[in-house]
Amino acid sequence: TQLLEQSPQFLSIQEGENLTVYCNSSSVFSSLQWYRQEPGEGPVLLVTVVTGGEVKKLKRLTFQFGDARKDSSLHITAAQTGDTGLYLCAGFSYNNNDMRFGAGTRLTVKP
Amino acid sequence: DVKVTQSSRYLVKRTGEKVFLECVQDMDHENMFWYRQDPGLGLRLIYFSYDVKMKEKGDIPEGYSVSREKKERFSLILESASTNQTSMYLCASRPDRGTYGYTFGSGTRLTVV
Repeated sequence: TQLLEQSPQFLSIQEGENLTVYCNSSSVFSSLQWYRQEPGEGPVLLVTVVTGGEVKKLKRLTFQFGDARKDSSLHITAAQTGDTGLYLCAGFSYNNNDMRFGAGTRLTVKP
Repeated sequence: DVKVTQSSRYLVKRTGEKVFLECVQDMDHENMFWYRQDPGLGLRLIYFSYDVKMKEKGDIPEGYSVSREKKERFSLILESASTNQTSMYLCASRPDRGTYGYTFGSGTRLTVV
């Protein structure tokens, strides 16, 4: 059983569309991170959110940490083919120094 | 540009062989990690190390061991490779305990035949 549930598991959209992917847990995290992984490569850190309710923007990507620090969302505006990849969320618990990864959302953006 | 380097991108090994996966980081990070990544299962922690000569078991350590003789190098050893160890292996490092993100290597795709 995944501690962090990501949805949807797969998403295929046309270039220019908007999308949101979700990362949910029953556990409270000290911080939550989002990574993007391209085929044949390791994950690359996109953002870390720490405060409940925090919103961070990275160009066309908007990340939100839930008020209770149990969930997060990633919204992409006007998706581009370069956004294609596996998006992973990871929750960090400071008390036990434990990082847990979700299974990821595989996004395909078609031209 | 800081990075984590894994020695091999692709490996094919026979059942029963002893396999060494090497990982080197040039960021002077204290913490290093080995994960395996399988479709639908996400990243699962095999072993980690918070300092030189130190190692801790992760969630799935069976069939694996590790070595950290120097701060920059963390090696994963498959004592006797089996087909169920066919996977993508990812090494990662982090400055120290805290909310820092991981820097990952490019991964080693291991196939055991």
